[in-house]
Amino acid sequence: AQSVAQPEDQVNVAEGNPLTVKCTYSVSGNPYLFWYVQYPNRGLQFLLKYITGDNLVKGSYGFEAEFNKSQTSFHLKKPSALVSDSALYFCAVRDRGYQKVTFGIGTKLQVIP
Amino acid sequence: GAGVSQTPSNKVTEKGKYVELRCDPISGHTALYWYRQSLGQGPEFLIYFQGTGAADDSGLPNDRFFAVRPEGSVSTLKIQRTERGDSAVYLCASSPYGLAGGENTGELFFGEGSRLTVL
Repeated sequence: AQSVAQPEDQVNVAEGNPLTVKCTYSVSGNPYLFWYVQYPNRGLQFLLKYITGDNLVKGSYGFEAEFNKSQTSFHLKKPSALVSDSALYFCAVRDRGYQKVTFGIGTKLQVIP
Repeated sequence: GAGVSQTPSNKVTEKGKYVELRCDPISGHTALYWYRQSLGQGPEFLIYFQGTGAADDSGLPNDRFFAVRPEGSVSTLKIQRTERGDSAVYLCASSPYGLAGGENTGELFFGEGSRLTVL
């Protein structure tokens, strides 16, 4: 079985400060890992993915995420937060060899002007 | 447009009625997923199609739920004898990569969802 944990319901950060949204995962094999963003009344949008190779992956809108195999984590980061980054962020995992993608419950990011 | 299209965007029905939700994926995408998202929750996997066949339907909650994709493109999620607990946003996503274990795994492209309310 595969699962994702997002331990924070909400993260508040001041505009211009760095942000981190946490994610840990559990899979029986090797993972594919994803981050998605959901703006109010909109569908989920892909941000970035880790497949293989460099542990630090870069994605859309200046976001990046670091894969840490020993800690089974894939935290989302951005060096300088914007008010427009305020949204709901979902971490997702897929075990290689399977097609099912499992999502976390989401973390609400609030960037304060 | 070029994105995933879902209809209807909103559906209000009465308990016990039958409902169909339609998904039109991005042209050429072989993989299609259905998810259900309740308020304050993440997307919950329902079913995955590779082409015309349901490769994984382990997320369908019971036999009132059924989905088809007869020509490998448009998919319909069918819910019989709806219950109030079925109220949620039903999300469809497609992906161009559908080979199990392949290294070229791609992201999911989501539609904006069909909001189902069962009174």
